[in-house]
Amino acid sequence: DSGVTQTPKHLITATGQRVTLRCSPRSGDLSVYWYQQSLDQGLQFLIQYYNGEERAKGNILERFSAQQFPDLHSELNLSSLELGDSALYFCASSVGVGDYGYTFGSGTRLTVV
Amino acid sequence: AQSVTQPDIHITVSEGASLELRCNYSYGATPYLFWYVQSPGQGLQLLLKYFSGDTLVQGIKGFEAEFKRSQSSFNLRKPSVHWSDAAEYFCAVGDPGGGADGLTFGKGTHLIIQP
Repeated sequence: DSGVTQTPKHLITATGQRVTLRCSPRSGDLSVYWYQQSLDQGLQFLIQYYNGEERAKGNILERFSAQQFPDLHSELNLSSLELGDSALYFCASSVGVGDYGYTFGSGTRLTVV
Repeated sequence: AQSVTQPDIHITVSEGASLELRCNYSYGATPYLFWYVQSPGQGLQLLLKYFSGDTLVQGIKGFEAEFKRSQSSFNLRKPSVHWSDAAEYFCAVGDPGGGADGLTFGKGTHLIIQP
């Protein structure tokens, strides 16, 4: 157990729907990162939050959004889902902003049908 | 823009044999360099990292990597592989100016261990 908890582990939904993925960071970590892993694109950085504030955006679609709550858990919201959004979504956490001491969760596998 | 190339999509190695996984990067200066391993159904686990200093870096599980600036490479090695090393291996680079922009990963190398 890495200490980063992601729920649910698996999600199957239809095109056009909206889903929410949840991540609880490791105790003491203030930064949360979201990554998407697909066969086509590999691992891509989506977005980072630090202590409730958005700090950096990567290749995140406008249909996707995220937030980090006061208890530091984070949610990634995916809307108007398309078949191409099927992927593994990973959350990672670290203590600070500029450090790379990532701890990854085991991911949420999203299947859009 | 920074990029990472892992030339080998699949590598098959016999148990007990040595291993070298290749990684080349494109970056304006010397980036921070990482190797991660992903077992089926698992998240990514950090094997080792290079920030500066000694170009030969030791990691967990008996892995090491060597940074070669002239070749823009950061190859991962292990002298003797075990069946449990079968997994997906990712090389990644990060901006030394700060980790806020996340890591850039290669596409990965799938390691198969033959008995």
